[in-house]
Amino acid sequence: EDKVVQSPLSLVVHEGDTVTLNCSYEVTNFRSLLWYKQEKKAPTFLFMLTSSGIEKKSGRLSSILDKKELFSILNITATQTGDSAIYLCARISSGSARQLTFGSGTQLTVLP
Amino acid sequence: DTAVSQTPKYLVTQMGNDKSIKCEQNLGHDTMYWYKQDSKKFLKIMFSYNNKELIINETVPNRFSPKSPDKAHLNLHINSLELGDSAVYFCASSPGQGFSYEQYFGPGTRLTVT
Repeated sequence: EDKVVQSPLSLVVHEGDTVTLNCSYEVTNFRSLLWYKQEKKAPTFLFMLTSSGIEKKSGRLSSILDKKELFSILNITATQTGDSAIYLCARISSGSARQLTFGSGTQLTVLP
Repeated sequence: DTAVSQTPKYLVTQMGNDKSIKCEQNLGHDTMYWYKQDSKKFLKIMFSYNNKELIINETVPNRFSPKSPDKAHLNLHINSLELGDSAVYFCASSPGQGFSYEQYFGPGTRLTVT
């Protein structure tokens, strides 16, 4: 079951802080890594990472993949209360099956 | 307008019953999915349908059966419900043929089996 492991499980910060969320994954048949933000109930797509060392950015969020060390990080700078959510990391396997495996998520709480 | 909708939002039922969860998307997408999120927040893909054909079927019990009457709908039918089926079930859709990395999720259905 531990094909995707996220840390920390929960994090509480204050507005303006910078946070780094971690995701490590199993290398077998690895194709890509995804990050999602889950507010209330439904996850929304953030990033897809396939190549190592190439940073993807969207506003205050950025993410990078390290295929040598088998992990990815999601950075959020100048956090806002609206960033409070569960952040999910997911691994896509290669091949025709295209299995998608999610980690358990990191619960981020941003206090005013 | 809701892009991906699910009904019901909450479902409480007893063990042994048969129930269905409906999903509809108005995005014109070709592929739809069902996910199960358990109490530990693990989100697992269950099924994916592309133009009424099953293209992914994770190792879920055969008590679970997806039914797609048309491209815009993918319903999840569950027979002989068990306590372990209690979870939040998400429907999702994506454009294009086959599995996509950018999926649009519905609001979820919280199933409680007593």
